[in-house]
Amino acid sequence: SAVISQKPSRDICQRGTSLTIQCQVDSQVTMMFWYRQQPGQSLTLIATANQGSEATYESGFVIDKFPISRPNLTFSTLTVSNMSPEDSSIYLCSVTIGGGNEKLFFGSGTQLSVL
Amino acid sequence: GENVEQHPSTLSVQEGDSAVIKCTYSDSASNYFPWYKQELGKRPQLIIDIRSNVGEKKDQRIAVTLNKTAKHFSLHITETQPEDSAVYFCAASTGAGSYQLTFGKGTKLSVIP
Repeated sequence: SAVISQKPSRDICQRGTSLTIQCQVDSQVTMMFWYRQQPGQSLTLIATANQGSEATYESGFVIDKFPISRPNLTFSTLTVSNMSPEDSSIYLCSVTIGGGNEKLFFGSGTQLSVL
Repeated sequence: GENVEQHPSTLSVQEGDSAVIKCTYSDSASNYFPWYKQELGKRPQLIIDIRSNVGEKKDQRIAVTLNKTAKHFSLHITETQPEDSAVYFCAASTGAGSYQLTFGKGTKLSVIP
């Protein structure tokens, strides 16, 4: 597997502000994803972070709310914009590793609380 | 799109007993089925997975079975220990080069010493 680090690990934010979460992988990976886990809930895919092009968003998620960058094969950012209390969740980046027999691994997570 | 149902939502077992968690999926094209364990405050960790060309896979006390015809798969944990207490998530993917997983809602397993 790989070491997948996220920053910040947690934050408390005021409504209406934005937070950018960073995800750093210690090796080059083709596929990176961003998931959301609301309190006590399952994992929901937000988007696929595509290197060198716009992210691919799942139904219910839009670029204006969750802009994503993927400047290279080891790094991505997710911004949660114009936050409301409903955005309070754990945000997880994830990568696939395995070259033909890929498995999905998760980053350390960012716990976001919006007041 | 894919829909994954997971049961039960909570499960309590005595230490040493077996635990079984079941999932069903809707998309017959799904061909990859991982299981994740998430301890409180930690990231989900991959514990075992199975692909559609295999009916069963074991790793020590953990096993996963897959029935493609019925579109369901199960996680079996034998000789449970208190450290097995966690939330377990099943997932399914068509694995079409992207491994965009659809997760079940999770099962909170409590192993009582």
